[in-house]
Amino acid sequence: GQNIDQPTEMTATEGAIVQINCTYQTSGFNGLFWYQQHAGEAPTFLSYNVLDGLEEKGRFSSFLSRSKGYSYLLLKELQMKDSASYLCAVRVDRGSTLGRLYFGRGTQLTVWP
Amino acid sequence: GAGVSQSPSNKVTEKGKDVELRCDPISGHTALYWYRQSLGQGLEFLIYFQGNSAPDKSGLPSDRFSAERTGGSVSTLTIQRTQQEDSAVYLCASSLDPIGGAQYEQYFGPGTRLTVT
Repeated sequence: GQNIDQPTEMTATEGAIVQINCTYQTSGFNGLFWYQQHAGEAPTFLSYNVLDGLEEKGRFSSFLSRSKGYSYLLLKELQMKDSASYLCAVRVDRGSTLGRLYFGRGTQLTVWP
Repeated sequence: GAGVSQSPSNKVTEKGKDVELRCDPISGHTALYWYRQSLGQGLEFLIYFQGNSAPDKSGLPSDRFSAERTGGSVSTLTIQRTQQEDSAVYLCASSLDPIGGAQYEQYFGPGTRLTVT
């Protein structure tokens, strides 16, 4: 099976920087995705990494180390609207199944004023 | 264009009844996925469609669950003889063809919240 771990909860203050870690153990790995999910809403895509290194997109950056089975999502200049659940998901391609995502349980981030 | 839509948004049903959940993917997306999100749990994969075919049904929790897709577009997830443990949010996602390892994000619908009483 697949094993994806991320912290359950994190808190931070407005304007700060927060790093959400994700570790995984999978076979057939073909990319790691981060999604944001506000309460009662659909997950929305934030970033993906398939090669080692850092991908930067505005206030959000994501890092991947395939050899360590490790990723993090970095959020800078936190805003109140960033309070949400952040989902780490690993893509596994196996046989005829392509693009299947295995999700962690999500990290609930609360941003305080 | 329009995003992924799902209906109904909420469904309350009595134990033992059958329910049908509908997903309209983004036009042109050949890949379609169903997931289930239970309270305090991560999203759980149910089934994957490539066009109208379902090469991977391994996530369906029991034979009470079935799904189909027609015209390479709309998909229906059917749960027969619902049980209380089926209560969850059912999410549908679609993407462009992921063949060859091409990386395309999955776009999620708003989900159907199913409550079995």
